[in-house]
Amino acid sequence: NAGVTQTPKFRVLKTGQSMTLLCAQDMNHEYMYWYRQDPGMGLRLIHYSVGEGTTAKGEVPDGYNVSRLKKQNFLLGLESAAPSQTSVYFCASSYRPRSRTGPGDTQYFGPGTRLTVL
Amino acid sequence: KNQVEQSPQSLIILEGKNCTLQCNYTVSPFSNLRWYKQDTGRGPVSLTIMTFSENTKSNGRYTATLDADTKQSSLHITASQLSDSASYICVVSSGGNQGGKLIFGQGTELSVKP
Repeated sequence: NAGVTQTPKFRVLKTGQSMTLLCAQDMNHEYMYWYRQDPGMGLRLIHYSVGEGTTAKGEVPDGYNVSRLKKQNFLLGLESAAPSQTSVYFCASSYRPRSRTGPGDTQYFGPGTRLTVL
Repeated sequence: KNQVEQSPQSLIILEGKNCTLQCNYTVSPFSNLRWYKQDTGRGPVSLTIMTFSENTKSNGRYTATLDADTKQSSLHITASQLSDSASYICVVSSGGNQGGKLIFGQGTELSVKP
């Protein structure tokens, strides 16, 4: 199994350009997530999905859109990139939790996409 | 406000030595606490997970402890190796661990020198 893969690995954009980051997982996970990681800060959740065809906002959703048309893929879009969106983006996936009192699901992370917006 | 604070921010130790990383949290309700290891240029990988009733959990040379009363956790690394050089992230889950309920610490950057 490849686990969680992300494309591209690196990208440089100019302010105002658009792009889509692709995340794919082959573990049949229900849940998928997009995070951004900035120096000196913890990972912050952008958007997430609890199943095919569903998406929800996380902690920092502004300026991003997502789509989950297929269970194995989760796309993150930037319609008009800004320098503040320069960051490393991580995708993650997990099984649906079996019970609310259980330990929940471990998230499996992709290798990240390093995005620079000039 | 739900927060996870880690200390120290960075740490340098010699190969073979032990070290302990700290995590303090103010998350309510508490569900579980995880430690992740993140190698440079890679995504985080889970090391341990502990629920409210667990005090300690080991994974090889990594031992995590949890004191739910004081809301503190530690990650102890024994006989460090060069491959332990990484960022270690404490993550606390609130509620049912559905999306949007994980609170990440900022990480401790560990460097193991020969």
